[in-house]
Order: sequence, then C-alpha cells, then structure tokens
Amino acid sequence: AQRVTQPEKLLSVFKGAPVELKCNYSYSGSPELFWYVQYSRQRLQLLLRHISRESIKGFTADLNKGETSFHLKKPFAQEEDSAMYYCALSTGNQFYFGTGTSLTVIP
Amino acid sequence: GAVVSQHPSRVICKSGTSVKIECRSLDFQATTMFWYRQFPKQSLMLMATSNEGSKATYEQGVEKDKFLINHASLTLSTLTVTSAHPEDSSFYICSATLGGLNTEAFFGQGTRLTVV
Repeated sequence: AQRVTQPEKLLSVFKGAPVELKCNYSYSGSPELFWYVQYSRQRLQLLLRHISRESIKGFTADLNKGETSFHLKKPFAQEEDSAMYYCALSTGNQFYFGTGTSLTVIP
Repeated sequence: GAVVSQHPSRVICKSGTSVKIECRSLDFQATTMFWYRQFPKQSLMLMATSNEGSKATYEQGVEKDKFLINHASLTLSTLTVTSAHPEDSSFYICSATLGGLNTEAFFGQGTRLTVV
C-alpha cells in the first residue's frame, strides 16, 4: 500500500510566486515526516522534518494529522528552488518515499 | 551531519558480469541501511532494507538473487548486481539511519551503473 502520496509529478511556478508541494500519508502509528530535496547532479539531502518545526531556505511544512498531510510551502519561490522534492515517512524501521515532485521556478 | 559515502560513483560493465557497490557510513554506525534505485525522471524505489548481521529484507518485485546485499559491519553495506543486463542500468542510491530515536536518513551520492 502506498504510504506516501505526492499527487503532482511536475509543478511550475513563476519566481516570486507562492509554492505548495502536496504530500499525503497513510500510516496508523505516529509517523515521522520529512521533506528531502535533490538538486541537479547532487545527492538527496534533508530539507526539513516535522519534529523540528523549523524553516529551511524559506520552506515550511506543517503536519496535519486530521488530513494526514505534510505539505511543503514557500511564500516566494526562487529560481534556485528548482529541484526534485520527495516527501518521506519513517516508521522507525523503514523509510517510504513519495514519487517526488519536480519543481521548476520560471524566471 | 552524518556522512554516507558510496563507491564507485560511476561504473560501466559488460553484460553478464557482476558489479559491487559499496555504501559506507563514515562517522557513525548504521544499524540499518537502505538501497534505492532511481530510474530516469522517476522516483526513488526502495529495493531492500539491510540490517547489520542479518539478511536483507527485499521489497516486492526485487529479485534477491539478482541484487545481493551484504551488511557485514555497522559501517558497510554492499549491493552486488549479479549477471548484469542492460535493463539493470540505473542510478543506485544507499542511505543509512542513525537509529534509535533519530530516524533521519543520510544518503550516499549514488552510483550510476551502465551495463553495455
């Protein structure tokens, strides 16, 4: 069963526009949710995790247990935000990734 | 943050040969390591979960005799692609977790395998 769903495979926004990358999860326990980013030709790296509740590079994500969502948001997109974004869920023993969303920020 | 090193970063091999990819946690002990495959313009696909000292747990559809995983120590896991074929050409990525309450995963830089 798909534990993490990212409904948008591709997302394009103009520079300066708000951006929201959607992530929904399915897990009966208490999950840990993460967002990972993969810039062109670089390794996957952690962008943020829900338990730290911090903002990295202007991105924030709030865990909504009622909607089982962990959407990633940024009020003003920048060109350097163009990358592949993966939402991930950890059960403590395993990591599950969403299918990823390719974000393109148009100058 | 913790560092995971993967080697080689790029390998070309002939069809029918075997290729070994190493994944090392450089500054921490990784009880659990994960192996992923990333197809062009597609998502990461979890292949297997590797626990130190025990047999790897393979995801459905992944041939364990084809993709041999060994996790002999807390800092090293290896993935061997046996009798490689062109369709095995892909980008393979490993990750490791610190374990305990910290479940953040750290990723290797990936290995580009091309089977000719």
